[in-house]
Amino acid sequence: EDQVTQSPEALRLQEGESSSLNCSYTVSGLRGLFWYRQDPGKGPEFLFTLYSAGEEKEKERLKATLTKKESFLHITAPKPEDSATYLCAVQGNTDKLIFGTGTRLQVFP
Amino acid sequence: KAGVTQTPRYLIKTRGQQVTLSCSPISGHRSVSWYQQTPGQGLQFLFEYFSETQRNKGNFPGRFSGRQFSNSRSEMNVSTLELGDSALYLCASSQGRTFHGYTFGSGTRLTVV
Repeated sequence: EDQVTQSPEALRLQEGESSSLNCSYTVSGLRGLFWYRQDPGKGPEFLFTLYSAGEEKEKERLKATLTKKESFLHITAPKPEDSATYLCAVQGNTDKLIFGTGTRLQVFP
Repeated sequence: KAGVTQTPRYLIKTRGQQVTLSCSPISGHRSVSWYQQTPGQGLQFLFEYFSETQRNKGNFPGRFSGRQFSNSRSEMNVSTLELGDSALYLCASSQGRTFHGYTFGSGTRLTVV
């Protein structure tokens, strides 16, 4: 059964303090690993798709990487506006998008 | 371009009632998926429709059903509501069998009392 585990559940950072969020997964026939950002009261906002081990993608202060067992979302010099819940999801042979429970990030000035 | 639109945004229902939620996908998107989000379980996949056909289904009881119309708009229905059905229901659309990401709506917050 496809499964996604995210850690930590919550993360508090000082502005400018870089860190990484982890997404461990098991999936039959990985077709894509997705990162989303979700703000309170809103739907998830698409950030990245990674397709194969070794792939990396960047967007502003965010960088996503992928291995055969896990993905990392690196946040460099975060700002308070980066505060949100970050969700990881995988899509395998079943075509279903399976989500982790997310990491709640708080960045303080 | 308009995003994914879900109506209503908020809904309060009584146990035993039924409810219908609506989702209008991005123009040109033919796939619509539905998710239930709760604090304890996170996002749980309900079902996916593509060109009016249910393509995939999650592990929810038969009280949860959906359909898609020829214009790609989708509805989901929950019958005989239970307190545990209180959740944020999210709809997501994509162009089709694409792995480039799904665009989510803002959701319908359902409270069952």
